[in-house]
Amino acid sequence: GENVEQHPSTLSVQEGDSAVIKCTYSDSASNYFPWYKQELGKGPQLIIDIRSNVGEKKDQRIAVTLNKTAKHFSLHITETQPEDSAVYFCAASPRGNTPLVFGKGTRLSVIA
Amino acid sequence: DTAVSQTPKYLVTQMGNDKSIKCEQNLGHDTMYWYKQDSKKFLKIMFSYNNKELIINETVPNRFSPKSPDKAHLNLHINSLELGDSAVYFCASSQLASGSEETQYFGPGTRLLVL
Repeated sequence: GENVEQHPSTLSVQEGDSAVIKCTYSDSASNYFPWYKQELGKGPQLIIDIRSNVGEKKDQRIAVTLNKTAKHFSLHITETQPEDSAVYFCAASPRGNTPLVFGKGTRLSVIA
Repeated sequence: DTAVSQTPKYLVTQMGNDKSIKCEQNLGHDTMYWYKQDSKKFLKIMFSYNNKELIINETVPNRFSPKSPDKAHLNLHINSLELGDSAVYFCASSQLASGSEETQYFGPGTRLLVL
């Protein structure tokens, strides 16, 4: 089955700096890679996703890149703000009716 | 309007008790899920229902039994609670039957503490 590794587990950056979170997956059949943000005391919320036919996707300060050959994908947050502080989860989805497999999360702290 | 709601938000109970967590979504989605998040924040799927039918049942003890009275509701009943059941339980929903490739909308979570 699919296995998703996520690094780092914790990340501290100064406000205004960039943050990068990396994930690798094991199943080459996986074709959908969402990123979720979980704020304290709340449920995870989708912030961006990418499908295997695309190498990069941007949404304002957030971007995701996908390298299918190497089986890894990354989340990039530019010009970080204190409200970006949260736990971020990557996930991978193999084809068909199989569940999302989540990484173990990265706790991002943006220091003002 | 709350898209995915869960009750209760907090649940403190003794070992051996039976408890239920309720979930409702008003998004008109076909698929609903239950996830367990442990103290290390690891998110693991437990069940998935599509239109009231069970489609995913990961390795979960038989003490956990989901029930879906209609496609807007997916409740979780837990028998004979154990200390290791302490966690945050999230309900989620998605639009399509092949929900794994669609955006999942999570509820606010139910924090279960078993003493």
